[in-house]
Amino acid sequence: HLQLQESGPGLVKPSETLSLTCTVSGDSFGSGTYYWGWIRQPPGKGLEWIANIYERGTPYYNPSLKSRVTISADTSKNQFSLTLNSVTATDTSLYFCVRHLSSGCDIWGQGTLVTVSS
Amino acid sequence: QSALTQPASVSGSPGQSITISCAGTSSDVGRYNYVSWYQQHPGKAPKLIIYDVSNRPSGISDRFSGSKSGNTASLTISGLQADDEADYYCSSFTSSTSYVFGAGTRVAVL
Repeated sequence: HLQLQESGPGLVKPSETLSLTCTVSGDSFGSGTYYWGWIRQPPGKGLEWIANIYERGTPYYNPSLKSRVTISADTSKNQFSLTLNSVTATDTSLYFCVRHLSSGCDIWGQGTLVTVSS
Repeated sequence: QSALTQPASVSGSPGQSITISCAGTSSDVGRYNYVSWYQQHPGKAPKLIIYDVSNRPSGISDRFSGSKSGNTASLTISGLQADDEADYYCSSFTSSTSYVFGAGTRVAVL
């Protein structure tokens, strides 16, 4: 069955760039059927949608993060990625990669904690 | 875009039914039938329980049901069980071609 796995550094310095990758396994990625995205959750707080991308390449972004975020997909590697520029402590969160089933996210990675600190 | 409005907490006794509201605007909940609901137990990833207002993914109990009226969506949990104790989040597609979440509702089973 389909699984998602986030990877990337757990610690990023303020003002630097956060880069995460999600590897899709157990199913075909790139069939042009689904949107794939990122959602984050600060420790002890609620969920925030960051971005998603259609397999054929159309990205969509949270307006509040759009100036700092890029999402991309590499179907040859069964991966999609997130970069977030100019990070601050408020970007410290558990970052989840997800698959969209219409309006809902039906498959979630386990999440990766990224801490922004010097 | 502003977060959707959910009550901070809702409680009920085993076997009872509870309803969680999710208030949005005419730019999100009221405009699209793209509301979803998630259940999150401590230390776990959220789990999709309702999508497109009232559809349940495969494997989700029919004790969970969703609806929408105007700018407000609702999640009803019937036959409340101990394992239903969790945080619940609503989400909606928006006119900004993005998604917005509610702040979450903690459900307590008394």
